[in-house]
Amino acid sequence: RKEVEQDPGPFNVPEGATVAFNCTYSNSASQSFFWYRQDCRKEPKLLMSVYSSGNEDGRFTAQLNRASQYISLLIRDSKLSDSATYLCVVNFSYGGSQGNLIFGKGTKLSVKP
Amino acid sequence: ETGVTQTPRHLVMGMTNKKSLKCEQHLGHNAMYWYKQSAKKPLELMFVYSLEERVENNSVPSRFSPECPNSSHLFLHLHTLQPEDSALYLCASSQDRASANNEQFFGPGTRLTVL
Repeated sequence: RKEVEQDPGPFNVPEGATVAFNCTYSNSASQSFFWYRQDCRKEPKLLMSVYSSGNEDGRFTAQLNRASQYISLLIRDSKLSDSATYLCVVNFSYGGSQGNLIFGKGTKLSVKP
Repeated sequence: ETGVTQTPRHLVMGMTNKKSLKCEQHLGHNAMYWYKQSAKKPLELMFVYSLEERVENNSVPSRFSPECPNSSHLFLHLHTLQPEDSALYLCASSQDRASANNEQFFGPGTRLTVL
C-alpha cells in the first residue's frame, strides 16, 4: 500500500497568520520527503526538501517524524502570494523500483488581506 | 528556452481521434516522466524513462503509448481515449532516477478534454 495523506483544506487565513500543514505516509521504507507547491492551473514546483533534523527556509519550516511517519510544513507571517496548493511528496523504493515520487492530494491555502 | 516545455497546452479530442503530446526538457536531465492529474486526485505516475529506456509503466491502459526518442524529448501518443481520460497531463524531468533527493521539474502540462 503506497499512500500519502493530507488534509485537503481549504485553509483560509489572514495575512500575517501562522499556518501548519500535516501529512502522513504509509510506507515506513520511504527515503526522502518533499513539499511541492502548485499554484492554480500551474505545474507543481519544489518548495523544499524535508530532512530528518528538520529544516527552515525563511518563513517556511519543515519537520519529519519517521517514527510516526508524519511530515509537517509551517508557514509563518503568511503572505497573499503564499496562496496555493501544497503537495506532500514522498520518495518510495519498492519491488526493485526506485526514485518514484508519490504525491498527496494537496492542501489548499488561501491567504486573505 | 529553459526548463521543461509541453505542447499543446490545451487539447480537445474525440474518442476516435489520434493525437500526441510533446515534452521537451532543456536541463540535461537523464530521466523523464509522464503524470496524470485529475480533479480531486493526487498526481498519478504513468511512465518513467531513464536514459531513453522505459523503466516503469504503472499499469496504464494501452490507449496511452509513450515514446522517448532521445533524452530531451518525450511523447505521449493517444488513441481511442475515453471521457474519463480528461485530465491535466504533466511531464517532468530529473537529473536521474536513483538519487534519493530527486527533485523533479515539471512542465506546464497539457489540459486534455475527451469528448
